[in-house]
Amino acid sequence: GQNIDQPTEMTATEGAIVQINCTYQTSGFNGLFWYQQHAGEAPTFLSYNVLDGLEEKGRFSSFLSRSKGYSYLLLKELQMKDSASYLCAVRDTDNYGQNFVFGPGTRLSVLP
Amino acid sequence: DVKVTQSSRYLVKRTGEKVFLECVQDMDHENMFWYRQDPGLGLRLIYFSYDVKMKEKGDIPEGYSVSREKKERFSLILESASTNQTSMYLCASSIQPNTEAFFGQGTRLTVV
Repeated sequence: GQNIDQPTEMTATEGAIVQINCTYQTSGFNGLFWYQQHAGEAPTFLSYNVLDGLEEKGRFSSFLSRSKGYSYLLLKELQMKDSASYLCAVRDTDNYGQNFVFGPGTRLSVLP
Repeated sequence: DVKVTQSSRYLVKRTGEKVFLECVQDMDHENMFWYRQDPGLGLRLIYFSYDVKMKEKGDIPEGYSVSREKKERFSLILESASTNQTSMYLCASSIQPNTEAFFGQGTRLTVV
């Protein structure tokens, strides 16, 4: 089966650092993606990991451990505009390696 | 910039109606996807297509069909709309494995 878990909600303070965890069990693995989705809008791409380790992109970093089926998204210097849902998605190897499996999303609230 | 356009932002239909949701992408992507997004359930894959006239069932294809007559256009069809198909529908496209998906703005469908 395929399963991706994330915390449902998180709260953090402006200027702080927050880590959003994602664990996955999928039939195959062809990369892990993080998306940001503001309320009422489409998801937008944040980061991609296919090898173990940390990928840094400005205030956002994403980490992957394939052996543990684990990833996290790290957001630094939080801003009010970072209040959004963060979706973890795995691209599996079934169906010609084209399919994305999404987690339920983590709703992050950034407080002043 | 990649653009994925869905024909309607909001739609209200009656139970039993046939409903067409249209999606067009302008970057010559091979892969196109239809998801529905419901609170607490995340994005669930309905159908996807990896080439013209090709289609594959996702996790929840029941009650839906799709059409891909041209590479840039992927249509989702609700043969006989029911109230449990009230949801946010998101179309996405991507090039190859290991590349991100680009999403349309979403269609919020209400079936009354």
